Order: sequence, then C-alpha cells, then structure tokens
Amino acid sequence: EIVLTQSPATLSLSPGERATLSCRASQSVSSYLAWYQQKPGQAPRLLIYDASNRAAGIPARFSGSGSGTDFTLTISSLEPEDFVVYYCQQRSNWPLTFGPGTTVDIK
Amino acid sequence: QVRLVESGGGVVQPGRSLRLSCAASTFRFSDFAMHWVRQTPGNGLEWLAVISNDGTEKNYVDSVKGRFTISRDNSNNTLYMQMNSLRGEDTAVYYCARDIGPFISLAGCMDVWGQGTTVTVSS
Repeated sequence: EIVLTQSPATLSLSPGERATLSCRASQSVSSYLAWYQQKPGQAPRLLIYDASNRAAGIPARFSGSGSGTDFTLTISSLEPEDFVVYYCQQRSNWPLTFGPGTTVDIK
Repeated sequence: QVRLVESGGGVVQPGRSLRLSCAASTFRFSDFAMHWVRQTPGNGLEWLAVISNDGTEKNYVDSVKGRFTISRDNSNNTLYMQMNSLRGEDTAVYYCARDIGPFISLAGCMDVWGQGTTVTVSS
C-alpha cells in the first residue's frame, strides 16, 4: 500500500497570502495524484487530478505540480473560503490511498 | 445539477449487516465507474471499493474484502454497498463518489461526491 504523507499538518496564513502544501508518496505514483478540498460538514471536492490538471469549475488560483514521489498544491492568493482542509490521493496502485490532510487556518 | 444521494446509514450492532444505497441523478450513470469512501475522525479518508461502469469489475481494500460487496443497478441509477459482519471500526461517514471514467483500469479520481451517510456500529 502506498502511504501518502502531507506537510505541514497545519498551515497558518493570512488572506491574500500564498499557500504551499506538500504531499510525499512512499513510492512513485508517476503523475497519478489528486488534491481534494473539504469544508466542514461537506464531502471532499476534487481540485486537481493527475498532479496538475484543474478539475471543472476550480478557480485558477489553485495549481498543482510534481511527479514521482513529491507533489505540491499551491493556492496563489488565499480567499476566506480557502481556510479548510486539503487531502492528496493517489491512483497509481490499488488500494487508492489518501494523505492525512493539511489544515489551512487563519493566522 | 449532477447529484449523488446516499441513504441506508444508521446504528447497528456488531456482527449485523447494513446496505447502503446511492442514488444518482442528472448524468448518465452507466458511463462511469463508482466508488465508496468512508471517513472517520481518527483515520481520515479511506477508500473502500470501486465498480466499473457495467458492474463487471470490482476492487476492494483489504480491510473490507470478504465482508463488504459493491454492486450497481444501472437501470435504476443506483449504487449499493452491502456491509456484513460489521465491527466497531466500521463506524464512519460513508460517501459514494463518481469516477471521472468508466473503467477500473483507469479509475481512481473522484469528481462528484454525495453528502454522506453515517454508520454507527455499537451494541
């Protein structure tokens, strides 16, 4: 099973700042990595798939990069609604696995 | 609007069974593979199972293999999860989710999620 590690666990920033979230895989997942956003009381929402492709309707301030074992989700300028939890997930190998999440909170 | 609505959750005793349903609307259900994912406060998000668009292929995480069965009825646009021999550690919010494609071989990216249904396993 591929283990995903996310860092930091919590990221404290102010609105308008740039957020950089990391996800590291225990073995190569090629580019088969997705990012999800989850707001309190809601289901996860797909933001990025295959490392760098924005899902439909996702604002351009969200971008993804990386390949192999190291990936990054960047939010270029934080909006108030962006202060929530983000998960990475790999689809390179079965079973699909998720990272433990990064919480972006207001500084 | 593309929509998935789960139902069937509740409180159940250890060792008993439960069947979850997921009703799909406003998209061609038979064109997409479908997943079940659960979430607990302690263990985060855990993928459970996937079924291909036509129901012929399935895959499971080891922790539920042999106890849970994923199935679908394309004529009624509904996904199911039959859960047997339930344990305390199965307590979670269960989500159904649509894959971005039809085939298991390319599956694993979930673009539409339901709101979740809560399963509590307790005596």
